[in-house]
Amino acid sequence: GAVVSQHPSWVICKSGTSVKIECRSLDFQATTMFWYRQFPKQSLMLMATSNEGSKATYEQGVEKDKFLINHASLTLSTLTVTSAHPEDSSFYICAGGDFAYNEQFFGPGTRLTVL
Amino acid sequence: AQSVTQLDSHVSVSEGTPVLLRCNYSSSYSPSLFWYVQHPNKGLQLLLKYTSAATLVKGINGFEAEFKKSETSFHLTKPSAHMSDAAEYFCVVSKSGTGFQKLVFGTGTRLLVSP
Repeated sequence: GAVVSQHPSWVICKSGTSVKIECRSLDFQATTMFWYRQFPKQSLMLMATSNEGSKATYEQGVEKDKFLINHASLTLSTLTVTSAHPEDSSFYICAGGDFAYNEQFFGPGTRLTVL
Repeated sequence: AQSVTQLDSHVSVSEGTPVLLRCNYSSSYSPSLFWYVQHPNKGLQLLLKYTSAATLVKGINGFEAEFKKSETSFHLTKPSAHMSDAAEYFCVVSKSGTGFQKLVFGTGTRLLVSP
């Protein structure tokens, strides 16, 4: 299957700072990127969907000004958590999708801890 | 709206014995259903998917699942567990006929395999 990487795998930051998470499709072109959030021992919740070159579509209840998503190329999407607070601590997972594969390919996730 | 319910948060089996992970779905459309596996520090991997073709779906690593409309179930089974099967398993539903669209995840079942 296709491979998606995320960087960093783990980040610790102070409250009030911003953190950027990168998601890259390594061997395919992801026309659509999906960003999920997973709390400990809970399921994945879709945060937003982004198409290359377009603005992201956010799920209900997700603050688009706090979680900035950029999908500038077919192989890179970024999620920036702005002015992070302890309640933003979570596991963030991206997935790349392409019509040719008819499937989402998931990255390994980024664990964010906000102190 | 689509939803899935995973009936067990934890399942423990001995190596070599059968595995059964239960999932019930709710959908006002003809659903597409998936099983994903999540190993620690690795991205979610697609085990198998049902998209209105054969009701018995065979996946990777010896797993299979049967779509039963009358019972609204999509249970995951494997005849003989291996230690490497220990992981978190998610039952997932999609409104459309592809895994490329919005996915709704169940709460997960942790499979524990003892020697």
